[in-house]
Amino acid sequence: AQSVTQLDSQVPVFEEAPVELRCNYSSSVSVYLFWYVQYPNQGLQLLLKYLSGSTLVKGINGFEAEFNKSQTSFHLRKPSVHISDTAEYFCAVSDRGRYGGATNKLIFGTGTLLAVQP
Amino acid sequence: GAVVSQHPSRVICKSGTSVKIECRSLDFQATTMFWYRQFPKQSLMLMATSNEGSKATYEQGVEKDKFLINHASLTLSTLTVTSAHPEDSSFYICSASPMTGATEAFFGQGTRLTVV
Repeated sequence: AQSVTQLDSQVPVFEEAPVELRCNYSSSVSVYLFWYVQYPNQGLQLLLKYLSGSTLVKGINGFEAEFNKSQTSFHLRKPSVHISDTAEYFCAVSDRGRYGGATNKLIFGTGTLLAVQP
Repeated sequence: GAVVSQHPSRVICKSGTSVKIECRSLDFQATTMFWYRQFPKQSLMLMATSNEGSKATYEQGVEKDKFLINHASLTLSTLTVTSAHPEDSSFYICSASPMTGATEAFFGQGTRLTVV
């Protein structure tokens, strides 16, 4: 079965500093990878996704992630964070469907709280 | 992007009553929708896959008689928590994709259920 590991439950960082949120997945088949952000009492917003092609994926709000197949990782990075980036971040994986599309049955990691301090 | 609307956003109910949560795709049709549950400070756990016109597929450990799912149209799935108890209090979120093979799921804003 697939699984997603987010090793850091909380990452404190000062405003304007760089940040990396770690994500590792376990799967023996091709997958799609996602990063979502969740603000308190709200649903999830997609930051970025990896489907195929370039291993460096750029998303919204200045975030990017790099797919590393050999290390089965998909770490999320931002060169300079803002107070408004404080939120819960979830890494997720889904299988590729029979015809190549995503099944969209997502398996989530446990989440990382990014706490940006002034 | 596509919009998924979930209603209500918050609900408080008495123990033993039933609560219905709606998930609507506003500007696309979705043959499949997913229901997740999120406990405080925890991740989202998939509860079931809602299939339009057929029975839902439940994940292991999820009581299908307690969490009734109906997907009667291509734009609406409902989750009914029957005979709710305080331990059912949680954040419930649905997701949907515009079509088979789509590469992204869109999430509703979630429903905070509190059973007193």
